[in-house]
Amino acid sequence: DAGVIQSPRHEVTEMGQEVTLRCKPISGHDYLFWYRQTMMRGLELLIYFNNNVPIDDSGMPEDRFSAKMPNASFSTLKIQPSEPRDSAVYFCASRQELKRAEAFFGQGTRLTVV
Amino acid sequence: QKEVEQDPGPLSVPEGAIVSLNCTYSNSAFQYFMWYRQYSRKGPELLMYTYSSGNKEDGRFTAQVDKSSKYISLFIRDSQPSDSATYLCAMSEGPESGGYQKVTFGTGTKLQVIP
Repeated sequence: DAGVIQSPRHEVTEMGQEVTLRCKPISGHDYLFWYRQTMMRGLELLIYFNNNVPIDDSGMPEDRFSAKMPNASFSTLKIQPSEPRDSAVYFCASRQELKRAEAFFGQGTRLTVV
Repeated sequence: QKEVEQDPGPLSVPEGAIVSLNCTYSNSAFQYFMWYRQYSRKGPELLMYTYSSGNKEDGRFTAQVDKSSKYISLFIRDSQPSDSATYLCAMSEGPESGGYQKVTFGTGTKLQVIP
């Protein structure tokens, strides 16, 4: 398996634009997580899915953020409208149901909002 | 106060040294304790984990958990330049807790091993 695949790797956008980040989890994994990493706050959980169903989105900072998982092999995180303070590295991670401590992370998307 | 505290470093050691990385936490419900390694511009990768208390060894790496003190450690023996990375501790509650899917990360300690 190629691991968790995220795209794009880098995104530079202007304030107010819509940004869509994409993730393909490892096949057979039941859980998918979206994290945001900044120097100040470290890794923060934004939302997670179980079998494509959103379970907890309490980490999503504002209504400008939304996430979907239309099927087991694809998820998106959308920011609309984007703001400079959204600049961060966004990671997607996935894991199997019974392996609670073994999450696999993608390479991340580095988002810069100017 | 953050749930998980970790010294950001940077920590600079000579090759071959023993490295000690530590985290403290405040949530007594944490049962899973993990260490991730993150190279620059890469995603975190799981190094090792323990469930509940005790020690775990994997090659040059040893993880220790002291639940009475709410303190966890990662030791790296015979450190190598290739160990240079940021090390993140992470924790989650046990399966009996409704919040066990949420993993709380430390902010990471940047380690540099000098040849």
